[in-house]
Amino acid sequence: EAGVTQSPTHLIKTRGQQVTLRCSPISGHTSVYWYQQALGLGLQFLLWYDEGEERNRGNFPPRFSGRQFPNYSSELNVNALELEDSALYLCASSLRGTQETQYFGPGTRLLVL
Amino acid sequence: QQQVKQSPQSLIVQKGGISIINCAYENTAFDYFPWYQQFPGKGPALLIAIRPDVSEKKEGRFTISFNKSAKQFSLHIMDSQPGDSATYFCAATDYNAGNMLTFGGGTRLMVKP
Repeated sequence: EAGVTQSPTHLIKTRGQQVTLRCSPISGHTSVYWYQQALGLGLQFLLWYDEGEERNRGNFPPRFSGRQFPNYSSELNVNALELEDSALYLCASSLRGTQETQYFGPGTRLLVL
Repeated sequence: QQQVKQSPQSLIVQKGGISIINCAYENTAFDYFPWYQQFPGKGPALLIAIRPDVSEKKEGRFTISFNKSAKQFSLHIMDSQPGDSATYFCAATDYNAGNMLTFGGGTRLMVKP
């Protein structure tokens, strides 16, 4: 069974640009979570999507947004990139509305110059 | 405010030794406590998890000890092996507040041969 996949693996952008990251959950999983792993700041929760709806968001500005598609895949969009947005962006999926294991993808490493 | 505090930040253990990583939490609503293992270039992978109605859980060489009154939990890795060298994260979730993971700061474990 395929795990959580993310694309692209690496990305380089400049300040002010916009970026879109993509995530495909494990088959059968309807919940998708996004986390940011920035150097020195650990793993921080960004967004939670379930059944196409945003269910919760972490303490991040509105320029971080996303959506979930009918096939449960998800996009994370970051507008007006800032240097401090440089991080590993991790997507995780789980069965809907449970405390079942969140399975993580390999992440997208974003560098903002 | 860091809701889950993890220590130590780094740990060096000889092969065959016991690795101990500690976490403390503040939010008494947390009701699920997983530990994740992360290798360089990979996403975190669930190692073992515990709920607060259990004081200890063992899976192979990995044991979680949980002290609800002290709001602390720890990971013990018995017979540590060089292949265990990775970064370990404790985490917690409050199901009623959304299923997002609140992570500790991580512990970089090195097991020397």
